[in-house]
Amino acid sequence: AQKITQTQPGMFVQEKEAVTLDCTYDTSDQSYGLFWYKQPSSGEMIFLIYQGSYDEQNATEGRYSLNFQKARKSANLVISASQLGDSAMYFCAMKGRDQGGKLIFGQGTELSVKP
Amino acid sequence: KAGVTQTPRYLIKTRGQQVTLSCSPISGHRSVSWYQQTPGQGLQFLFEYFSETQRNKGNFPGRFSGRQFSNSRSEMNVSTLELGDSALYLCASSLTVASPSVEQYFGPGTRLTVT
Repeated sequence: AQKITQTQPGMFVQEKEAVTLDCTYDTSDQSYGLFWYKQPSSGEMIFLIYQGSYDEQNATEGRYSLNFQKARKSANLVISASQLGDSAMYFCAMKGRDQGGKLIFGQGTELSVKP
Repeated sequence: KAGVTQTPRYLIKTRGQQVTLSCSPISGHRSVSWYQQTPGQGLQFLFEYFSETQRNKGNFPGRFSGRQFSNSRSEMNVSTLELGDSALYLCASSLTVASPSVEQYFGPGTRLTVT
C-alpha cells in the first residue's frame, strides 16, 4: 500500500526566509510521481511542483524546489524567500504507476509566514 | 485557458436528501477525478473517469456515484446524505491517466454541509 507522511502539522517562518516542509513516502512501485500542492483558505488546490521517481535531478519551479532523496524515501519541499502569500496548507501527494489518476495525499502542513 | 470549474460552490442539504455536484475540466482534458476532504480523514480519492468510463474507485459506499459525459464534464451524486458527508468535494482534471507524471489540476471545490 502507498502512504504519504507529513510530520509537521504546523510551521512558522519569517518573511523572506527559506523553509523546508517534510514529506516521506512508502511504496513498492518502481515508477511513481511525487507532487506538492498548496491550499489557501479559499479551498482550491494549487499545483506547485512534480518529481518523478526516475528523475536524477531535483525539480525546481521558481521559488519552489523539491529535495528528493530516493533511498530515504523523502521528498521535501523547499520554499525560498517566503512571502506573506505563502501562508496556506501544503500537501504532499503521490501517484503510482498503476493508479491512474489516483493521488494519495499526506495530512498536510499549515505554513504561517510572519512579517 | 479556463481552469477547472465546479458548481455549485456551496450547498446545504438535509440528512436523507441526495445531491449532485458538477465539474467541468480544463479544455482538452479527458480525465476527471473526485476527492473528498474532511478535517478528520483528510483528502480521500473517490473515483476517476476517463472517456466516459470509470477507471478507478476509492473506498466509499455505493451511495457515492459519478458519471462523465462525452464533453468530459463530470457529475458526482451522493444519495441518502449523512451528516458525515459534510465535506469539501474537489474535482481534478488531467490530459490523460496513463502515467504517474501526469499533473492534475484542481477546481475550487464544492463545500457541502449536511444538517
